[in-house]
Amino acid sequence: SQKIEQNSEALNIQEGKTATLTCNYTNYSPAYLQWYRQDPGRGPVFLLLIRENEKEKRKERLKVTFDTTLKQSLFHITASQPADSATYLCALVTGNQFYFGTGTSLTVIP
Amino acid sequence: EADIYQTPRYLVIGTGKKITLECSQTMGHDKMYWYQQDPGMELHLIHYSYGVNSTEKGDLSSESTVSRIRTEHFPLTLESARPSHTSQYLCASSEWGTEQYFGPGTRLTVT
Repeated sequence: SQKIEQNSEALNIQEGKTATLTCNYTNYSPAYLQWYRQDPGRGPVFLLLIRENEKEKRKERLKVTFDTTLKQSLFHITASQPADSATYLCALVTGNQFYFGTGTSLTVIP
Repeated sequence: EADIYQTPRYLVIGTGKKITLECSQTMGHDKMYWYQQDPGMELHLIHYSYGVNSTEKGDLSSESTVSRIRTEHFPLTLESARPSHTSQYLCASSEWGTEQYFGPGTRLTVT
């Protein structure tokens, strides 16, 4: 099965800066990759999806890149705000299987 | 806000009791999932369903069982709760090949 690694350390950044989160995977490339946000005590909420034939996807202040050669996805939040503080999960989807990473905790400091 | 509901939100129960965690969705999704998540840890898939009368075990072995008699309903049952079952249980649903919608979760504590 897939192994997914996200930034193991929590990420603290200053408000207004760009946050960059990493998702690395092993084995075969997924059909597509998704990013979710999870707040404490709540279920994850879907943010963005990128397919294996896409290099980049944007949605408002969010940007996702997908490099199947490096087996890596990067998730960027530009002009970060304290409200962006949460845990961000990446999920790889292959066929009908979803594989979630452990998530990266992001804190945006005012 | 996704139309997927879980009850109860919090449950404290003694060892050996039988419990059922409820999950319902009003989006007509065929696929539904149960995950277990400990604090700061990854989601572990314990059961999933592709539709009515379809249930499969996930990657994480679990002593729980599920049923899917109606499209909108996917309850999870523990016949005899143990302290090792203490965790957060998340239910999700999706269309084929799209994002998952998660419920708010049930925080279970077995004493």
